[in-house]
Amino acid sequence: DIQMTQSPSSLSASVGDRVTITCRASQSISSYLNWYQQKPGKAPKLLIYAASSLQSGVPSRFSGSGSGTDFTLAIGSLQPEDFATYYCQQSYSFPYSFGQGTKLESK
Amino acid sequence: QVQLVESGGGVVQPGRSLRLSCAASGITFSAYAMHWVRQAPGKGLEWVAFILYDGSNKYYADSVKGRFTISRDNSKNTLYLQMNSLRAEDTAVYYCARDRLSGSGNRVFDPWGQGTLVTVSS
Repeated sequence: DIQMTQSPSSLSASVGDRVTITCRASQSISSYLNWYQQKPGKAPKLLIYAASSLQSGVPSRFSGSGSGTDFTLAIGSLQPEDFATYYCQQSYSFPYSFGQGTKLESK
Repeated sequence: QVQLVESGGGVVQPGRSLRLSCAASGITFSAYAMHWVRQAPGKGLEWVAFILYDGSNKYYADSVKGRFTISRDNSKNTLYLQMNSLRAEDTAVYYCARDRLSGSGNRVFDPWGQGTLVTVSS
């Protein structure tokens, strides 16, 4: 089974900051990597798919990169609505798996 | 627009069974594979099960294999999760999500339902 590891587990930042979150797979997953955003009490929402493709309707300050085992989610200029928890997820092989999440908090 | 609505959650004793439903609208349900994903209180997301559009192929997380069964009724636009031999560690919000193929075989969960809470406790 493929293990996904995110870092950091939590992150404090301010509006206007640029932040990056990393995700590492325990084996190569090519570009079968997706990112989701979840706000408290809500269902997750797809942000980035296939490592670097922006989901329709998602602001362009979000971007993804990477392939193989190492991936990055970047938020270009934090907005108040971006404070949430972010998860990476591999769809290379079943059983699918998520990273443990990165909680982005306001400093 | 696409809407997924889960139901069937509640409080159940360890060892008992529960069946969750996910009613889909706004999509051609029979054309899409579907997933169940769960989230224990205060914890991260855990993928649970997958079913192909016609029910011909299914996959499960090791943690539920042999106890949970995913199924669908395309005539009713409804996805199910039959959960047997429930354990305290199955306590979670259970989400259904549509499977969507993006490009070269990459699958995503999009959209998700609002979730239904299952509490396993005596």
